[in-house]
Amino acid sequence: QKEVEQDPGPLSVPEGAIVSLNCTYSNSAFQYFMWYRQYSRKGPELLMYTYSSGNKEDGRFTAQVDKSSKYISLFIRDSQPSDSATYLCAPDNNDMRFGAGTRLTVKP
Amino acid sequence: DAGVTQSPTHLIKTRGQHVTLRCSPISGHKSVSWYQQVLGQGPQFIFQYYEKEERGRGNFPDRFSARQFPNYSSELNVNALLLGDSALYLCASSLLGTGISEQYFGPGTRLTVT
Repeated sequence: QKEVEQDPGPLSVPEGAIVSLNCTYSNSAFQYFMWYRQYSRKGPELLMYTYSSGNKEDGRFTAQVDKSSKYISLFIRDSQPSDSATYLCAPDNNDMRFGAGTRLTVKP
Repeated sequence: DAGVTQSPTHLIKTRGQHVTLRCSPISGHKSVSWYQQVLGQGPQFIFQYYEKEERGRGNFPDRFSARQFPNYSSELNVNALLLGDSALYLCASSLLGTGISEQYFGPGTRLTVT
């Protein structure tokens, strides 16, 4: 079993839709949970991170962690074409274990 | 301020050759990590260096090696290249070597092995 599982998509939504991106992980020792966004031909950039379970909101983005089920979610409200990118989840325990990434396309 | 820089941007090598990739971290950052990203997959951790010492190593063969210099720049070396080494090699720098220190990624070096 991979340490981080993420549906690679691709996911295509109309502009303004609510997007839900999800990951599962297997190692209960993971403490920090991060979401990175990667545009084509660019390096990943950190979007958000959370520690432990619960929700964290930043503008149109909400990160949610459920440690009991080892499930991580990223919600994007009022999605925009500029949100079109690959989203990578990364539970962290001192070294980075990225998911495969979900490719998102938001159509105008 | 300049972000993380990597050189070269693209590289084509043949099987069996050796390659050196370079990374300059953000000024003030003391930790550099290297990742391999194969098309359609997430980055895979190769090495982390902090204050010129190896802090972590991923599941890569000994053909992969790295070092960090006194100015905190870093090199990734790959010997005896295989076709499967074709990938985007990403360098990331962070202020600290552990915990939740945010990593800043460079644009990567795209290596093609023929």
